[in-house]
Amino acid sequence: QVQLQQWGAGLLKPSETLSLTCAVNGASFSGYYWSWIRQPPGKGLEWIGEINHRGTTNYNPSLKSRVTISLDTSKNHFSLHLTSVTAADTALYYCARGFIVTTPGYYYYAMDVWGQGTGVIVSS
Amino acid sequence: DIQMTQSPSSLSASVGDRVTITCRASQSISPYLNWYQQKPGKAPNLLIYAASNLQSGVPSRFSGSGSGTDFTLTISGLQPEDFATYYCQQSYTTPWTFGQGTEVET
Repeated sequence: QVQLQQWGAGLLKPSETLSLTCAVNGASFSGYYWSWIRQPPGKGLEWIGEINHRGTTNYNPSLKSRVTISLDTSKNHFSLHLTSVTAADTALYYCARGFIVTTPGYYYYAMDVWGQGTGVIVSS
Repeated sequence: DIQMTQSPSSLSASVGDRVTITCRASQSISPYLNWYQQKPGKAPNLLIYAASNLQSGVPSRFSGSGSGTDFTLTISGLQPEDFATYYCQQSYTTPWTFGQGTEVET
């Protein structure tokens, strides 16, 4: 059974860098995309970005200038770094696995396994 | 970015009810639409992918339909464990975007 276990600092000051790590248990990186998503308190979900097993990344343009997602296959984990945080970055952060199903002419993608979430508060 | 709009934002229902939630995309995305369920304090859980495909392990009372820009999640016979918030998500193009959520409450 695939499980994602995430961790990282939960309290940051403005201008600091948010760093979170997600360990992948029970699956290899190959054939999947590995995403970070966040959810501000009482609000909806915002996709931050993803990485595949080759290290190819896609980022949300709204955060692209501040985001780096990286992969460490030797440790079976992937990480999120978000620089210059502000109060607007306060949220519950999730890691997730994106799977792909292909049929002739179609390429379906969804996120089927999620981490438990890590709360991050940005406050001076 | 593709904007996803769900309606209603919340609804009141009772056990046994048939519940319908609608999701509209700002452009045609068919059939690249997923549905998730989220309970308080928990991560989202994938219910439906590609508009109408039931994810493994999800009860058959959940179903999805739709095409183009308009999609529907139906719960046929609401169960106590179904009171939660539901999100749609487009997988047509990045950035992947979600609806604002629909809370199903008693």
